Amino acid sequence: GENVEQHPSTLSVQEGDSAVIKCTYSDSASNYFPWYKQELGKRPQLIIDIRSNVGEKKDQRIAVTLNKTAKHFSLHITETQPEDSAVYFCAASKTGGFKTIFGAGTRLFVKA
Amino acid sequence: DAGVIQSPRHEVTEMGQEVTLRCKPISGHDYLFWYRQTMMRGLELLIYFNNNVPIDDSGMPEDRFSAKMPNASFSTLKIQPSEPRDSAVYFCASSLGGGPGGYTFGSGTRLTVV
Repeated sequence: GENVEQHPSTLSVQEGDSAVIKCTYSDSASNYFPWYKQELGKRPQLIIDIRSNVGEKKDQRIAVTLNKTAKHFSLHITETQPEDSAVYFCAASKTGGFKTIFGAGTRLFVKA
Repeated sequence: DAGVIQSPRHEVTEMGQEVTLRCKPISGHDYLFWYRQTMMRGLELLIYFNNNVPIDDSGMPEDRFSAKMPNASFSTLKIQPSEPRDSAVYFCASSLGGGPGGYTFGSGTRLTVV
């Protein structure tokens, strides 16, 4: 069945360093890849997304890349800050069916 | 818009009792999703609706779980009878259109079954 794998499960970085979270998906028909940030005790919130017709998208300190051939996509956070500490979820879905499958999450710690 | 509204925020109930979780999606959104989040299993899609019609309930774990959407502004997720392993945070989310654009999640209901 459809599956999204996410690595690492935990990531600890020093403030100012970069953080990279990687995901792979199994359904080649997937064409939409959102990323959500969930702070402790809060709801997941969409922070950035990418569609299959684009290889990279950037929004200030965060960027996503997509390799459709390899079925990989990644989240890159530069100049990390303590407020970036949260759980990040990648996800994949396809238009029409609109069933989004989430990765298991990455707990990011940014040490001041 | 107040966003997706879920109630209650917290629910503690005894095993065997019926539990009803409620959700009000964003006005105008035509898709509604129920997710369950646990440490062990992450975010699991339970069921989703399009225009109030259930589209995919393959994630509903057992017959003890049922969901309804009687109109565009209200949905319920019911567990009867509840069991301790149902303890989790239940999120409702809504979105607009059949295409991508991301979900807006509610604040969740933290359910504890003792």
